[in-house]
Amino acid sequence: EDKVVQSPLSLVVHEGDTVTLNCSYEVTNFRSLLWYKQEKKAPTFLFMLTSSGIEKKSGRLSSILDKKELFSILNITATQTGDSAIYLCAVGDSGGSNYKLTFGKGTLLTVNP
Amino acid sequence: AAGVIQSPRHLIKEKRETATLKCYPIPRHDTVYWYQQGPGQDPQFLISFYEKMQSDKGSIPDRFSAQQFSDYHSELNMSSLELGDSALYFCASSFGGTNEKLFFGSGTQLSVL
Repeated sequence: EDKVVQSPLSLVVHEGDTVTLNCSYEVTNFRSLLWYKQEKKAPTFLFMLTSSGIEKKSGRLSSILDKKELFSILNITATQTGDSAIYLCAVGDSGGSNYKLTFGKGTLLTVNP
Repeated sequence: AAGVIQSPRHLIKEKRETATLKCYPIPRHDTVYWYQQGPGQDPQFLISFYEKMQSDKGSIPDRFSAQQFSDYHSELNMSSLELGDSALYFCASSFGGTNEKLFFGSGTQLSVL
């Protein structure tokens, strides 16, 4: 059974801090790892990672994948209160007839002013 | 840009009743996924459809059924509702059965009393 473990489960920081969110996984037929940000309702897409060692970057957010050690990190620099959300890591498995995502439980990030 | 549309946004039902949730994917997307997210839980994969055929099945109870119609919208039918069915039900869509980048709707919040 595919498994995704995120840490920490919850994190409280002050504006301007840098945070690192962790995601480790076990999956039979790894296809990709995705990061989503969930504020009130729908998870919104952040990054998709398929290759080790290649950093994806979008503004203050960046992410990297290590397929050998089976983990990914999501970094957020100069955090803002608007970054407060649950950050979900999901791993894609292409072993079945189709592709499906298995999610971790998420990291709840709270950024205080 | 058009997003994934789910209806209704909120639904309150009593035990043993039935419910139907609807999902309208992004135009030209042919793949639909259903996820269930309980309070404080990660999204759990229920079922997916590609080109109107069921493509994968997750932890969907036998009391639930779903289908994808000719216009690619999908409906999740839930019967004999139980208290434990109270959750946020997400629909996501993508193009092509093996496309990793899923776009999520805002979800339907189902409360079973």
